[in-house]
Amino acid sequence: DVKVTQSSRYLVKRTGEKVFLECVQDMDHENMFWYRQDPGLGLRLIYFSYDVKMKEKGDIPEGYSVSREKKERFSLILESASTNQTSMYLCASIGGLGTLMGASEKLFFGSGTQLSVL
Amino acid sequence: KQEVTQIPAALSVPEGENLVLNCSFTDSAIYNLQWFRQDPGKGLTSLLLIQSSQREQTSGRLNASLDKSSGRSTLYIAASQPGDSATYLCAGTSSNTGKLIFGQGTTLQVKP
Repeated sequence: DVKVTQSSRYLVKRTGEKVFLECVQDMDHENMFWYRQDPGLGLRLIYFSYDVKMKEKGDIPEGYSVSREKKERFSLILESASTNQTSMYLCASIGGLGTLMGASEKLFFGSGTQLSVL
Repeated sequence: KQEVTQIPAALSVPEGENLVLNCSFTDSAIYNLQWFRQDPGKGLTSLLLIQSSQREQTSGRLNASLDKSSGRSTLYIAASQPGDSATYLCAGTSSNTGKLIFGQGTTLQVKP
């Protein structure tokens, strides 16, 4: 089975801190994604990557950056954490080339990181 | 802008009932569709994927169908069990934008 592992289940950070959220997948998937999930707003795409060192902005990239130095690892960076970035962060991956997400395979999610910014 | 509506938002049923969850897209140009399950505080688990050439998929007590002409999908759960209690989300890939669009989910409670 595909495994998508997020490094932390819960994180508490202070306003202004630089925060790193790590995600690793073990199925050699080309495409990886970062979402945030908030009550009443559903899942919103922050960034995605379809290859090593490639990244594309999602719907809400402001305040975030990403890094994909290795195929299996996709990191989300909050440059200066703010209270409105308190959220559940979900990483996902899927195989296949191209940017038509979910084209022929299932999307696999990590267990999520609940981030609280105080 | 493509939007996804899931009806009902919440559902509570006694154990053993058959039930139907609904998902509809404002733009019917859907390439494929997935149904996910999410337990409280956890990530999403893909249940069923209906690919572009398919109309339905079945896995155990679950059956999902997709009507591309109307942009609607249903998830049918047979003989519901307390362990089915979770939030169910649908997500479709837009044929126009290539983006995966999520619904906000239906929260299901199955009472013993």
